[in-house]
Amino acid sequence: KNEVEQSPQNLTAQEGEFITINCSYSVGISALHWLQQHPGGGIVSLFMLSSGKKKHGRLIATINIQEKHSSLHITASHPRDSAVYICAALTGTASKLTFGTGTRLQVTL
Amino acid sequence: SQTIHQWPATLVQPVGSPLSLECTVEGTSNPNLYWYRQAAGRGLQLLFYSVGIGQISSEVPQNLSASRPQDRQFILSSKKLLLSDSGFYLCAWSGSLAGHEQFFGPGTRLTVL
Repeated sequence: KNEVEQSPQNLTAQEGEFITINCSYSVGISALHWLQQHPGGGIVSLFMLSSGKKKHGRLIATINIQEKHSSLHITASHPRDSAVYICAALTGTASKLTFGTGTRLQVTL
Repeated sequence: SQTIHQWPATLVQPVGSPLSLECTVEGTSNPNLYWYRQAAGRGLQLLFYSVGIGQISSEVPQNLSASRPQDRQFILSSKKLLLSDSGFYLCAWSGSLAGHEQFFGPGTRLTVL
């Protein structure tokens, strides 16, 4: 069993839909990263959070430390949101990341 | 502001040839540095990390090695590439204190033929 699990693996949505991607982890963490990987491979850090909720534009990330669960929400989805979304658990004094397998999101018109 | 560079962007190498990928960070000092690999259809995997010059920790046994000759330079090497070394290699940096966010370079796509 992976230490970081994501669901769903693949997600197709129509433009404007509200999207939720879930992440569960079994390791002790200092924080959780949400990352976005575009088709070319480049990775952008969307959020790093260790408690509560963060919001940036149409993106919202929440984390429940007791339940070891985090969610990434996209409101009013748009085709440009199409990408792979990856959650990663930050652990240890060297801030090592353990990655989920990613969620491939396709937003259509 | 901090920036991270990787080169080359793409590389095609024959099996058995050597490899050297370079990563440099600007605008910060004493960063933690990381090498990750993403094999085709697979998730990201931590290969090496470094908390200081000359200090390298390996996460998985493999055909690769890493070195940190300068504070903001991280090099990934191999003496003889295998087909299984193909993948997308990402370098990242974070602040030296625990719990710091990581920032990723643009990546190198390596194809071993």
